[in-house]
Amino acid sequence: DTGVSQDPRHKITKRGQNVTFRCDPISEHNRLYWYRQTLGQGPEFLTYFQNEAQLEKSRLLSDRFSAERPKGSFSTLEIQRTEQGDSAMYLCASSPEGAPREKLFFGSGTQLSVL
Amino acid sequence: AQSVTQPDIHITVSEGASLELRCNYSYGATPYLFWYVQSPGQGLQLLLKYFSGDTLVQGIKGFEAEFKRSQSSFNLRKPSVHWSDAAEYFCAVVPSGGYQKVTFGTGTKLQVIP
Repeated sequence: DTGVSQDPRHKITKRGQNVTFRCDPISEHNRLYWYRQTLGQGPEFLTYFQNEAQLEKSRLLSDRFSAERPKGSFSTLEIQRTEQGDSAMYLCASSPEGAPREKLFFGSGTQLSVL
Repeated sequence: AQSVTQPDIHITVSEGASLELRCNYSYGATPYLFWYVQSPGQGLQLLLKYFSGDTLVQGIKGFEAEFKRSQSSFNLRKPSVHWSDAAEYFCAVVPSGGYQKVTFGTGTKLQVIP
């Protein structure tokens, strides 16, 4: 069990640029989640995948955001035309079948700073 | 909509003192309840969870929490705090069915002084 890994750990970009983050969940976990955490707040749910299917998207996920999990393994989160308000920690988590009783395993996050 | 309130943004305790972090939730039914801890540069780690049954649950690192349905509360406690407990603590709820669409509180930052 190598845990949930996220890449990169930090990303600094200029407003208007596109960015992409990657998440590698624990290998046997079929459920994958993206959360966003801003300073002084708890994480907020963005989206959920079961295998390769994206089953729910929060209204926080505007049209500039897209998430994929093409083979049911790793996932990517892309933000197009970044805005300063997108600056946040983006957290990925995974869980095995049997959730919500099964706990979430979180990665260390990608800290995005939009200048 | 479900919500979680952590009224204390920041708490300072002396090492060895007892700790209680407050959490209140608002939800139509009894949800699943969790406490997570987040240390700087680290991901969130589950401390403990409550689904049903005994209302006093034990977690890792010597933490416990008590579910009180009448007060819609799930307060976290530790009898003797260690310096390594300094971190941010999040209370969270999940609907009792489906998947882990977690609603987190805003967090309580714990400072431990020697």
